[in-house]
Amino acid sequence: AQSVAQPEDQVNVAEGNPLTVKCTYSVSGNPYLFWYVQYPNRGLQFLLKYITGDNLVKGSYGFEAEFNKSQTSFHLKKPSALVSDSALYFCAVRDQYSGAGSYQLTFGKGTKLSVIP
Amino acid sequence: ETGVTQSPTHLIKTRGQQVTLRCSSQSGHNTVSWYQQALGQGPQFIFQYYREEENGRGNFPPRFSGLQFPNYSSELNVNALELDDSALYLCASSRGTTRTDTQYFGPGTRLTVL
Repeated sequence: AQSVAQPEDQVNVAEGNPLTVKCTYSVSGNPYLFWYVQYPNRGLQFLLKYITGDNLVKGSYGFEAEFNKSQTSFHLKKPSALVSDSALYFCAVRDQYSGAGSYQLTFGKGTKLSVIP
Repeated sequence: ETGVTQSPTHLIKTRGQQVTLRCSSQSGHNTVSWYQQALGQGPQFIFQYYREEENGRGNFPPRFSGLQFPNYSSELNVNALELDDSALYLCASSRGTTRTDTQYFGPGTRLTVL
């Protein structure tokens, strides 16, 4: 079975400082990893994904994520946080061996990011 | 914003009633997945539809059912509503069903069961 853990319910960072939102995963085979962001009363917006190749993945709005196979982590990062980055962030995983069919996404519980002016 | 649309935006029902939620997929996408997001939780997979057939199901009872139409739009039906069904229901569309396909989400339907 596949699973995702986001160990921090909330992350606070000052505007202009670098931010990191943590994610660890558990899968049977090779992972396919995704980050989404959710603003209040909105659906999820896709930020970036790791499928294979370079461990540093660049995505939308200046976000990037680093895949670390030995630590089974996929942390989301941004060099300089904006107040507008304040939102709920979800990490999701899809297992290489999900079985025939849907290749469903399994999400973490989310991390609330607050960027303080 | 994605091209995925959902209706209605909000819905209030009472226990035991039935509800239908609708989703239009993004242009060029043939696969629709439905998720339930309870308050304070991450989305949980309900099921996926591809070529008008259910293509995988999460841990949800049979009273959760769905349809996909030839234009790839989809419906989620929930019978015999329970209080715990109160949640944000999210629809996501993708180009296909492979493990590398990105799912793009709609804004969701907020269902309240009283």
